[in-house]
Amino acid sequence: TQLLEQSPQFLSIQEGENLTVYCNSSSVFSSLQWYRQEPGEGPVLLVTVVTGGEVKKLKRLTFQFGDARKDSSLHITAAQPGDTGLYLCAGALGGAGSYQLTFGKGTKLSVIP
Amino acid sequence: DAGVTQSPTHLIKTRGQHVTLRCSPISGHKSVSWYQQVLGQGPQFIFQYYEKEERGRGNFPDRFSARQFPNYSSELNVNALLLGDSALYLCASSINYNEQFFGPGTRLTVL
Repeated sequence: TQLLEQSPQFLSIQEGENLTVYCNSSSVFSSLQWYRQEPGEGPVLLVTVVTGGEVKKLKRLTFQFGDARKDSSLHITAAQPGDTGLYLCAGALGGAGSYQLTFGKGTKLSVIP
Repeated sequence: DAGVTQSPTHLIKTRGQHVTLRCSPISGHKSVSWYQQVLGQGPQFIFQYYEKEERGRGNFPDRFSARQFPNYSSELNVNALLLGDSALYLCASSINYNEQFFGPGTRLTVL
């Protein structure tokens, strides 16, 4: 059973379009992180959201954490070819002294010039 | 500052062999975690170490083991390799429990 469901799995859009990627779970997370990963490389941290209802903006990227801290979304405005990559959401679980990230399968984004 | 470094970058082994993967965290980071990422999937948690103690273990068989050294670097060992162990092995370091920073990974191929 996948703890974190990401949708869509694949997305191909034209340069300049907007898009939203969703990350949903039945579990409550202490925080949620979004990463972008290029083929053959490690994930690169984009943002961490901690508070339910929190919204963070990173240039053309907007991240939102659900009020119940079970879901999140990533919205990209005016997508560019440089945004192409695998977008992963990861929920943090663990108590004091321990910590692990549970990842979704990812959304593979292709932005066509 | 240097990021998380991992070695080797690529490795080819045969079934039944063992392998040791190495990770150096970002300077000042005391926690190291290991993840396995098979093709088409997100990374899956294997171990977390903090101050040289195991603090978390994922759902992996006992063939997988790890340790952390006094300088906070870490090794992941896998014994009796199976074809299904072929994956990208990622190391991540963190200074607190909210953010993890990943290395480039070690691509392991088991033949």
